Amino acid sequence: EAGVVQSPRYKIIEKKQPVAFWCNPISGHNTLYWYLQNLGQGPELLIRYENEEAVDDSQLPKDRFSAERLKGVDSTLKIQPAELGDSAVYLCASSPRDRYNEQFFGPGTRLTVL
Amino acid sequence: QKEVEQNSGPLSVPEGAIASLNCTYSDRGSQSFFWYRQYSGKSPELIMFIYSNGDKEDGRFTAQLNKASQYVSLLIRDSQPSDSATYLCAVNDRGDMRFGAGTRLTVKP
Repeated sequence: EAGVVQSPRYKIIEKKQPVAFWCNPISGHNTLYWYLQNLGQGPELLIRYENEEAVDDSQLPKDRFSAERLKGVDSTLKIQPAELGDSAVYLCASSPRDRYNEQFFGPGTRLTVL
Repeated sequence: QKEVEQNSGPLSVPEGAIASLNCTYSDRGSQSFFWYRQYSGKSPELIMFIYSNGDKEDGRFTAQLNKASQYVSLLIRDSQPSDSATYLCAVNDRGDMRFGAGTRLTVKP
């Protein structure tokens, strides 16, 4: 069974530029999560989707961050414009329906904003 | 006060020893508790979960939960150099996983 796929793995951009991250969850997993992980910290939830519905986006900085999961499968997280403080690893995870404790993480995208 | 607190370490133990990792949480109503292992540059990997007070054993790993003290621990017996990683404690509340900052463990040969 293929795991959670994320791309790109690494991204370097200049501040004020836009950036987008893509995630393909494990087949059949209807719940998808985007986390942000700063160096030396644990992951912090940005947004959680149940199918195509964002059920928890309270931690997503909506002035510059947006996310979508149009068909309830793949998801895209966008930052526009990026700031220096956005440099971090962006992790995507997925879990089966009603088994939210079984979260499987993708490899992450390491973003560097110069 | 952070929701989930861990000693950042580093914790260093010799090969073959028992490594003890500790975690406290602030929400007394929390029901589900997890330990993730994260190798440097890699994503977190679930190694144990525990829901009830007491001990839960899985191979060389034992998770311990004390809800009255709001305390979770992870014991690793017969520690191996391959166990060297950061261990993240997490609490799941209503679907959202809250992570601690992690404890870095080094097992020396």
